[in-house]
Amino acid sequence: GAGVSQSPSNKVTEKGKDVELRCDPISGHTALYWYRQSLGQGLEFLIYFQGNSAPDKSGLPSDRFSAERTGGSVSTLTIQRTQQEDSAVYLCASSWLGQGITDTQYFGPGTRLTVL
Amino acid sequence: AQKITQTQPGMFVQEKEAVTLDCTYDTSDQSYGLFWYKQPSSGEMIFLIYQGSYDEQNATEGRYSLNFQKARKSANLVISASQLGDSAMYFCAMREGGGGSYIPTFGRGTSLIVHP
Repeated sequence: GAGVSQSPSNKVTEKGKDVELRCDPISGHTALYWYRQSLGQGLEFLIYFQGNSAPDKSGLPSDRFSAERTGGSVSTLTIQRTQQEDSAVYLCASSWLGQGITDTQYFGPGTRLTVL
Repeated sequence: AQKITQTQPGMFVQEKEAVTLDCTYDTSDQSYGLFWYKQPSSGEMIFLIYQGSYDEQNATEGRYSLNFQKARKSANLVISASQLGDSAMYFCAMREGGGGSYIPTFGRGTSLIVHP
């Protein structure tokens, strides 16, 4: 497909379980971003990947959160020992360059995570 | 201080009328880019329109236009001839030119409801 895809679209899990969320960016985009959006709130930046550079992890809320990007393409966000406050929509975006004032982010449909 | 301020948590407009969604920004950079996104209830963030700080003309994209007032640091989105499908959250975002502009800053969003 031409756009950013994310899977699963919905995930319900029990407190304490680990979850993995996947993001497929637009082909050729070197930058990939993860955001979290709690109900009725704005976007909370989590992590940023650009090419082969070390990721910017400054937005990760705790060490239970981690992400990797394999082969400069697909990314997986992992949340270990999930807590109820992790319930949110997790949005992935990609962009061509990852820098520059004109670089536009394109978003995926998101994964809605519910922790019971 | 917030870099992007959207002061209208909610807006209502009659179908076929025009509506303006406010966005003010704060930056000391001379070079920056401003973006507007639409987020319908489905959750996906859809890129609408871009304005660069050096652009002399206001950006337009179909029914969307950006009322860019650089001296006032405002970048208001104008939607002409509102349609029911315009009901959504709208987010303003900025990329700053200094320091690489890796992570865009988003506002808290404005909820727009279009009445028939």
